[in-house]
Amino acid sequence: DAKTTQPPSMDCAEGRAANLPCNHSTISGNEYVYWYRQIHSQGPQYIIHGLKNNETNEMASLIITEDRKSSTLILPHATLRDTAVYYCIVRRTGANSKLTFGKGITLSVRP
Amino acid sequence: GAGVSQSPSNKVTEKGKDVELRCDPISGHTALYWYRQRLGQGLEFLIYFQGNSAPDKSGLPSDRFSAERTGESVSTLTIQRTQQEDSAVYLCASNQQGGMYEQYFGPGTRLTVT
Repeated sequence: DAKTTQPPSMDCAEGRAANLPCNHSTISGNEYVYWYRQIHSQGPQYIIHGLKNNETNEMASLIITEDRKSSTLILPHATLRDTAVYYCIVRRTGANSKLTFGKGITLSVRP
Repeated sequence: GAGVSQSPSNKVTEKGKDVELRCDPISGHTALYWYRQRLGQGLEFLIYFQGNSAPDKSGLPSDRFSAERTGESVSTLTIQRTQQEDSAVYLCASNQQGGMYEQYFGPGTRLTVT
């Protein structure tokens, strides 16, 4: 599976948008971009995924560049409960679609 | 149930004892995965089930670790002769077959080997 690169940490103010970047320059055509987050002492939580089009759901938006080599997760109005480690993962479409977690980015939302 | 469940939520065992960890996936999810997360670390893949068979066991760290799945439903991860380095949170996840379907995680079992 393609590797991803994320900054180790970032912070944002409560109520503002949080834009979390991810590089996946070696992604191949049959790989999806997935985002999960892990709040302290909990299991990972699915946020959103996409193949090549931008996606939006009730939690976040996912912007994928046209060449698919990078993406940005956008939390439009961050709250204190969004403080977590966010993982950007590239995942194959095949049957064995295990997730390969990197170190993720620690997002701290400040009051 | 509505989500993936795991039991027990916490397990403390003495070094050398065997432990069994249980996972109940979301009904209808044919793919099931086990991961391990050591303190302060990322998740490590252990094993993947497709139905009741395990085509990928590449993440199991030693032959002390084994897993089975029955009825395309519940799965059990067994660790024999536990060691202190086995202390971790063991997470189970499931999804409909294929990488285009989101994978849902259970709350995990925290294993402490003393």
